[in-house]
Amino acid sequence: GENVEQHPSTLSVQEGDSAVIKCTYSDSASNYFPWYKQELGKRPQLIIDIRSNVGEKKDQRIAVTLNKTAKHFSLHITETQPEDSAVYFCAASPSGNNDMRFGAGTRLTVKP
Amino acid sequence: NAGVTQTPKFQVLKTGQSMTLQCAQDMNHEYMSWYRQDPGMGLRLIHYSVGAGITDQGEVPNGYNVSRSTTEDFPLRLLSAAPSQTSVYFCASSLSGVTGELFFGEGSRLTVL
Repeated sequence: GENVEQHPSTLSVQEGDSAVIKCTYSDSASNYFPWYKQELGKRPQLIIDIRSNVGEKKDQRIAVTLNKTAKHFSLHITETQPEDSAVYFCAASPSGNNDMRFGAGTRLTVKP
Repeated sequence: NAGVTQTPKFQVLKTGQSMTLQCAQDMNHEYMSWYRQDPGMGLRLIHYSVGAGITDQGEVPNGYNVSRSTTEDFPLRLLSAAPSQTSVYFCASSLSGVTGELFFGEGSRLTVL
């Protein structure tokens, strides 16, 4: 089955700096790559996703890039704010398979 | 629209006891799933269902049973609880399987003593 690895496990940045979280996946048939944000004690919520026919997607301060050849994708957050502090999860879903696999998560702390 | 509703929010069990975590959604989603969340291990898929009457195993199905008799409900049963099943459990649903947004419930924190 699919295996997703996520780095780093913790990330601390100063407010206003950029943050980058990287994930690699093993199944070349994976074609959908979402990112979820989980605030402390809350449920995970989708913040952005990308499909395999697209190399990059942007939504305001958040962007995701996908490199299918290298089988890795990254989340970029610019101009970080304290409310960006949370755990971020990447995930990958192979085509034709309903078994989505998540990375272990990255705890992002934005210091004011 | 209540979204995805899970009960109970907290539960303490003794080893060997059984229990059912309830999950209901009012969005008419065909796809529903159960994940467990453990520190440092992300979200791991236990079971999923692509529609009423259809269920399948995920990454960590042992010790859990599911059924899907209606579109709305997807209960998760622990047959004989073990301390290794101490975790936070999330139910999630989606309109378009795993290639669309998963809507999660608030989570159920289970402790097995």
